[in-house]
Amino acid sequence: NAGVMQNPRHLVRRRGQEARLRCSPMKGHSHVYWYRQLPEEGLKFMVYLQKENIIDESGMPKERFSAEFPKEGPSILRIQQVVRGDSAAYFCAGGLASYNEQFFGPGTRLTVL
Amino acid sequence: AQTVTQSQPEMSVQEAETVTLSCTYDTSESNYYLFWYKQPPSRQMILVIRQEAYKQQNATENRFSVNFQKAAKSFSLKISDSQLGDTAMYFCASGHSGAGSYQLTFGKGTKLSVIP
Repeated sequence: NAGVMQNPRHLVRRRGQEARLRCSPMKGHSHVYWYRQLPEEGLKFMVYLQKENIIDESGMPKERFSAEFPKEGPSILRIQQVVRGDSAAYFCAGGLASYNEQFFGPGTRLTVL
Repeated sequence: AQTVTQSQPEMSVQEAETVTLSCTYDTSESNYYLFWYKQPPSRQMILVIRQEAYKQQNATENRFSVNFQKAAKSFSLKISDSQLGDTAMYFCASGHSGAGSYQLTFGKGTKLSVIP
């Protein structure tokens, strides 16, 4: 019974490159949330997706960031033309449409040089 | 919009003693949930305890319990018989089902150190 999986766990990019972060929720869970944690801060909501739909992207920066959760495969958070300020830990949480089942992955730590 | 405030950036407690972490929140929602998450050095987010706002009874999970004061919008976490493995960042969070989204709003965290 694998938990929420995120990969890579660590990602290093140079300014201007693209970063792709993947999240596979637990089997049977069709909802994914992405959060960002800056150093010394709590997690901040970015986007909420169901299979093939973006439900709430109110926390996502308008430029350079995008997210998808295709019918098959993991959810992907994509950051284009990364800047140093994008350095953070990115967590996804998977679950069903309730608070009773929302489980966090181990996070991806993105470092932008 | 929801806000969550944790006023204690750092705390320490002797092993086997009891410690209480504070959290206040603000929301205009009538139906909401409150959570405490633990983040050890591994950075994995682990759910410690959950409270439904409509329930008056305080939630408990083994050594962990909450003091939920709805009128005061306070949600403190009590850890009894502290263990070395309790050393971690603790985040208070709130959530509601606004516009079909169950996003969580987190506080900035309290760093708890358990001293042997």
